[in-house]
Amino acid sequence: KAGVTQTPRYLIKTRGQQVTLSCSPISGHRSVSWYQQTPGQGLQFLFEYFSETQRNKGNFPGRFSGRQFSNSRSEMNVSTLELGDSALYLCASSEDDGYTFGSGTRLTVV
Amino acid sequence: GQQLNQSPQSMFIQEGEDVSMNCTSSSIFNTWLWYKQDPGEGPVLLIALYKAGELTSNGRLTAQFGITRKDSFLNISASIPSDVGIYFCAGQLINTDKLIFGTGTRLQVFP
Repeated sequence: KAGVTQTPRYLIKTRGQQVTLSCSPISGHRSVSWYQQTPGQGLQFLFEYFSETQRNKGNFPGRFSGRQFSNSRSEMNVSTLELGDSALYLCASSEDDGYTFGSGTRLTVV
Repeated sequence: GQQLNQSPQSMFIQEGEDVSMNCTSSSIFNTWLWYKQDPGEGPVLLIALYKAGELTSNGRLTAQFGITRKDSFLNISASIPSDVGIYFCAGQLINTDKLIFGTGTRLQVFP
């Protein structure tokens, strides 16, 4: 089965802009989680969606939001970008057989 | 954010040596997972543990779910150069699907 697909792979934005990242989970997986990875903070949980509903949320400001569509694809949006938002954003899909990560979107805010 | 205590932070070993790393927490976990991450890629699942005391192997890798459900270790035997990368433990808290990650162990293997 195809893996988790994240697009785009790389993105450069300027401060104040907003960005939308996309994640297509493994076919049949209903849960999609998003993580932010930075050298200083490691992997930090952003939120998790299951069947179009946000099921869990991490400790990130309201500028970070997400949604999930009926086909389980998920998007993550960050508004009013700050320099500190530069990170690798990872999405993971899961069903009953564990979490599978995508290759991530590397966001650089300049 | 919430993270697990993972040690050591980094290891520099010679090819053929065995490696051991562990994660500890004050919280009780339902599931322990071990991942490996290569540069520029997402973490790849190595081993999943679902029961306290469970000992599971995957080739040269062996991991155990601690009896107290608050810790786990990963051993790599007879290391090879392609073992280089960052290894993360992750625990799934009871009654939630949220994963808490360890701080990572960076492994370097010299020929």
